[in-house]
Amino acid sequence: ETGVTQTPRHLVMGMTNKKSLKCEQHLGHNAMYWYKQSAKKPLELMFVYSLEERVENNSVPSRFSPECPNSSHLFLHLHTLQPEDSALYLCASSPQAAGDYEQYFGPGTRLTVT
Amino acid sequence: RKEVEQDPGPFNVPEGATVAFNCTYSNSASQSFFWYRQDCRKEPKLLMSVYSSGNEDGRFTAQLNRASQYISLLIRDSKLSDSATYLCVPCLFSGGYQKVTFGIGTKLQVIP
Repeated sequence: ETGVTQTPRHLVMGMTNKKSLKCEQHLGHNAMYWYKQSAKKPLELMFVYSLEERVENNSVPSRFSPECPNSSHLFLHLHTLQPEDSALYLCASSPQAAGDYEQYFGPGTRLTVT
Repeated sequence: RKEVEQDPGPFNVPEGATVAFNCTYSNSASQSFFWYRQDCRKEPKLLMSVYSSGNEDGRFTAQLNRASQYISLLIRDSKLSDSATYLCVPCLFSGGYQKVTFGIGTKLQVIP
């Protein structure tokens, strides 16, 4: 167990649906991240939160909307997605956003958009 | 040029073999470097950090060549459990946080 949990683990949604991905870390970390991993592509950083403040929005379409209500929880709200958004969405946390810190990943949510 | 270049493999090696992976990165301002391991359909996990002086952890040795912008990972006496994808990860401090860039990974398959 890495101390980072994600729900749901699998999600199938239509293009007109609205859904949310949830991430929770039990490590006392101050930084949290969302990544997208598509087949045969490297992990793409989507968002970074440091002490509940968004410090990076990596040119992500507005149909992805992150929320960080506290340092332990991170959400990714999804609406009107496209089939090319189907991927593995990974959440990670680290002690701080700045510094040589390992990132601890959750198991991911495998998203399929139909 | 890609930010991180890795040979995707797969590298198929027999148990007990020594195997080496290489990685090049494009941003010369990168400050810290890591190797992560990702098992099939699982999340990435840190394998080891990479230092300029080189570092070793059991059967694993990592090297960094800043002049050539090149990172390597050597695995000695390969085990079946080493089968995974190995991700090269240079990091850069920018905009108030550590920007992490993942390579596509090199797939290793250790065969009995």
